[in-house]
Order: sequence, then C-alpha cells, then structure tokens
Amino acid sequence: LAKTTQPISMDSYEGQEVNITCSHNNIATNDYITWYQQFPSQGPRFIIQGYKTKVTNEVASLFIPADRKSSTLSLPRVSLSDTAVYYCLVGDIDGGSARQLTFGSGTQLTVLP
Amino acid sequence: EAGVAQSPRYKIIEKRQSVAFWCNPISGHATLYWYQQILGQGPKLLIQFQNNGVVDDSQLPKDRFSAERLKGVDSTLKIQPAKLEDSAVYLCASSLGQLFNEKLFFGSGTQLSVL
Repeated sequence: LAKTTQPISMDSYEGQEVNITCSHNNIATNDYITWYQQFPSQGPRFIIQGYKTKVTNEVASLFIPADRKSSTLSLPRVSLSDTAVYYCLVGDIDGGSARQLTFGSGTQLTVLP
Repeated sequence: EAGVAQSPRYKIIEKRQSVAFWCNPISGHATLYWYQQILGQGPKLLIQFQNNGVVDDSQLPKDRFSAERLKGVDSTLKIQPAKLEDSAVYLCASSLGQLFNEKLFFGSGTQLSVL
C-alpha cells in the first residue's frame, strides 16, 4: 500500500501561490495521484488527478517529476475560501478487484488576509 | 446532478445504544464507500460495495458494525452497540466504478456523538 507524507499545516496570504508537496516513495507503476480538498463539516471534494508530468484544471495544477516519488499541488492566487485540509492519495490496486483509497492526515492550509 | 445524500446530519446517543446511518449515492454509481473520520484525522475506509456486493470490509469492526446495500443503490451502516470511541463523522461516497482514477463523490456526513 503506497504511503504518502505531507506537511501537517501551511499558512499563506491572500493572492499568493501555494505549493503543497506530497511524498510517495513507494508508488507503483499503475498508481495515479489524486488530491482532495475538505472544508469543515463537509466531505472531501476531488481537486485534481495525474499520472506523470503536469496536469492543470480550472482550480489547480499538479506537478509530478519523472520518478513520480513526489507530487506538488499548486493553487494559484489563493483566497480565504481556500482554507481547508488537502489530502494527497496514491492508489493501490489489490488483485485488480479492490482498491485501497487511503487518506492520510492531510495538510491544513490556512489563508490569511 | 444530485449529490450523495446522507441522513441524519447529526446523532447523539449513549454508549451501548444502537444507531443507523443512511446513504443514497449518485444515480448510476456502482461503487459505494463508507468512511469513518475521527476529529483531526483523515477519513478511514470501513467498507466498499460494488453494486450490492462487498468488495472490501477489512477495516470494519464486524463485532459491532454492519452495513448493507440492498438492490445496489441505497446503503445503511449500523453500529450495535456503540462505544465512546465510535464518536466520529461517518462519510458515504460513491463512484462510477472502482478503478482508482475515478473520482469519489462524498456526502456531507453524519456526525455521531457517543456519550
């Protein structure tokens, strides 16, 4: 089961770019990297997913180096509403029939005015 | 598109009592998950269904927790009897299938307090 390591917390100011790095040294060949965002009193929400290089959507960018042992979620010009917990997940296919979608403790991002 | 519906939103019970949570996934989603999220921690998978069959329940405390998904749509999670350490948010999620690269859609959860 691929294990992920993220910073426990990060602070930023409004308008800044925030980069959250996730380490996943034992990522498997078939694993995808997925990031979820969770606000208080809500369930996690999908942000972005990638396999290699760079992925960008309307919310964020995901940078994955060639060795895929880490990934960086980039949030451009954050606002107060981006204050949330961000989870990095790496998939594990067990026998092709079940998957362990394991959430770590995540990174608490606090955006300050 | 309607999201994942869960009820109740909050529940307070005393230890040794029973409680049940209900989940209605997004229409057409074959895979349904129940997660337990203790305050300050990430969600922990309890059980995963593919249609009405159990795919993974390795982390479900089967002496007190049970879950079912009749007809492959709605699901209920039951705790009997509850313990103090069961106080947590119980999240239901669904996805089209069970491939890792498919998005999970979560409900808002049921916050359980066991006194």
